Amino acid sequence: GAGVSQTPSNKVTEKGKYVELRCDPISGHTALYWYRQSLGQGPEFLIYFQGTGAADDSGLPNDRFFAVRPEGSVSTLKIQRTERGDSAVYLCASSSSTLGPTGELFFGEGSRLTVL
Amino acid sequence: RKEVEQDPGPFNVPEGATVAFNCTYSNSASQSFFWYRQDCRKEPKLLMSVYSSGNEDGRFTAQLNRASQYISLLIRDSKLSDSATYLCVVNGYNNNDMRFGAGTRLTVKP
Repeated sequence: GAGVSQTPSNKVTEKGKYVELRCDPISGHTALYWYRQSLGQGPEFLIYFQGTGAADDSGLPNDRFFAVRPEGSVSTLKIQRTERGDSAVYLCASSSSTLGPTGELFFGEGSRLTVL
Repeated sequence: RKEVEQDPGPFNVPEGATVAFNCTYSNSASQSFFWYRQDCRKEPKLLMSVYSSGNEDGRFTAQLNRASQYISLLIRDSKLSDSATYLCVVNGYNNNDMRFGAGTRLTVKP
């Protein structure tokens, strides 16, 4: 049984470049989340999709960050004009449609982004 | 004020000790609460949900105090394998939107 898959696992880029990070959720999971985690910190919420639509994008730090999920399955997080402060592990998680008190987020192993 | 706040620790305890972690949250409308565990350089994984009446899973006990907007996790008879970061998770301003605390790091020593 496949879990949440994220690619690339590691990405090193130069300041100012464009980056795409991909997430393939667990089959049948309609909810998909992106988080960013810096060393010593908890996961910071970026965006949440329910199906194809972004139900909450309030965590995106600025307009350089954008995420899509065109067919309600795979999602891509896009970062334009990368800055050194964007360096972090980007985590994707998926869940069944409603969380409720017993809901669980299933995380991928993350994409480690380093901006030089 | 952060949406979810935790004591970052670290907590260093001997095997067999009892240790408790606390977490406060700012959104009084939050309905769902969880503790996640994260091992070093690994992804977070669900440890247990937190129910209004409190709940227990083996050596782990979770409590919720809605009036004080406070969640706790108690670990009894600590094992070396309990060493990890424990993340408090609360649903945020939208029903399925989940916010994490910064985590509390626990090290259990022989």
